[in-house]
Amino acid sequence: DAGVIQSPRHEVTEMGQEVTLRCKPISGHNSLFWYRQTMMRGLELLIYFNNNVPIDDSGMPEDRFSAKMPNASFSTLKIQPSEPRDSAVYFCASRRDLYTGELFFGEGSRLTVL
Amino acid sequence: DQQVKQNSPSLSVQEGRISILNCDYTNSMFDYFLWYKKYPAEGPTFLISISSIKDKNEDGRFTVFLNKSAKHLSLHIVPSQPGDSAVYFCAAPEYGNKLVFGAGTILRVKS
Repeated sequence: DAGVIQSPRHEVTEMGQEVTLRCKPISGHNSLFWYRQTMMRGLELLIYFNNNVPIDDSGMPEDRFSAKMPNASFSTLKIQPSEPRDSAVYFCASRRDLYTGELFFGEGSRLTVL
Repeated sequence: DQQVKQNSPSLSVQEGRISILNCDYTNSMFDYFLWYKKYPAEGPTFLISISSIKDKNEDGRFTVFLNKSAKHLSLHIVPSQPGDSAVYFCAAPEYGNKLVFGAGTILRVKS
């Protein structure tokens, strides 16, 4: 069975450019989470969805960040405009439902903003 | 302010010896704790968990201990193996579904 699939695996861009990260959750999983990993703060939850509906976006750092889940098999995290401090590894994770089940992570998207 | 704290950024242990990774938390409402393991260029994977009604949970070489009065938990790996070298994250669910993670501890097991 395919796990959580993220793309791109690596992205290098210049400050001010738009960045779009993509995620395909595990089929049948109803909850999707976006995390960001940095050295200082570890894994921070940015936003999560249940049944394609955003439930909590309190972790989104600024208005420059937005996330969508147009259907059960696809989500995007967009940063516009990007800044060097956005450089991090962004993980998408999915879970069978909101309250139970193991959280499965993708391999991450490493973003470098120059 | 981080609710789950891992104050040791890294730990180095000789193969065959015990590895002890520590985690402190501030939210007394947490009733379940998890450890995740992460290899380079991979996503974190679930390792072991413990409910707050227990003080110990064991799974093979991995044991997690919980001290609720001290708001402290630890992961013991015995014996440590080179393949255990990874980043270990402590986590707890907030509001039942929102997992909050610590900053992680890099474990290096030397052969």
